[in-house]
Amino acid sequence: DAGVTQSPTHLIKTRGQQVTLRCSPKSGHDTVSWYQQALGQGPQFIFQYYEEEERQRGNFPDRFSGHQFPNYSSELNVNALLLGDSALYLCASSPRTVLAKNIQYFGAGTRLSVL
Amino acid sequence: ELKVEQNPLFLSMQEGKNYTIYCNYSTTSDRLYWYRQDPGKSLESLFVLLSNGAVKQEGRLMASLDTKARLSTLHITAAVHDLSATYFCAVDLYGGSQGNLIFGKGTKLSVKP
Repeated sequence: DAGVTQSPTHLIKTRGQQVTLRCSPKSGHDTVSWYQQALGQGPQFIFQYYEEEERQRGNFPDRFSGHQFPNYSSELNVNALLLGDSALYLCASSPRTVLAKNIQYFGAGTRLSVL
Repeated sequence: ELKVEQNPLFLSMQEGKNYTIYCNYSTTSDRLYWYRQDPGKSLESLFVLLSNGAVKQEGRLMASLDTKARLSTLHITAAVHDLSATYFCAVDLYGGSQGNLIFGKGTKLSVKP
């Protein structure tokens, strides 16, 4: 079992550019959540996808958008990058049906640097 | 606004000593999560506490939950260097079980010989 995989591992962009991050959930998982972790801070919830739709959203601007594919993998898109978007972006997955008692499994993350 | 507060934020311990990390939260969530993060790494799940009075132990770590006080503790017994990491507590955004976690700022633990 490969667990939650994210790509790329590192990314460098400049202000104003757009970026796409990718996540493949753990086998058997159908719910994907994205988090942003700034240096020295706890992860912040961005949004969650289930059945190819955004189900919950945290306090992030519309510049942050996402998508979930039929195979449950997901993308996080950030437009008009700002310096403050530099962070570790974490993807977490879980099976929806037992989410109440299950643990979210986190990927290794994508480190985004905006110059 | 849901707040999750941990203290202390930094903790330097000597090996063999005991200490407790505290996590206070402002919602009525009946479940709480503890994660560990090593530098440059992702989050590793330690405990999921699902009800008031829940207590879980794994090795030198023991976590408890008091939903009435909205307080969870992570107790470290006879610390060893391998426990050095950052520890996060988290609760669900809407107090339920939707998996939308709100994290504390983390407690950076350093265990010295």
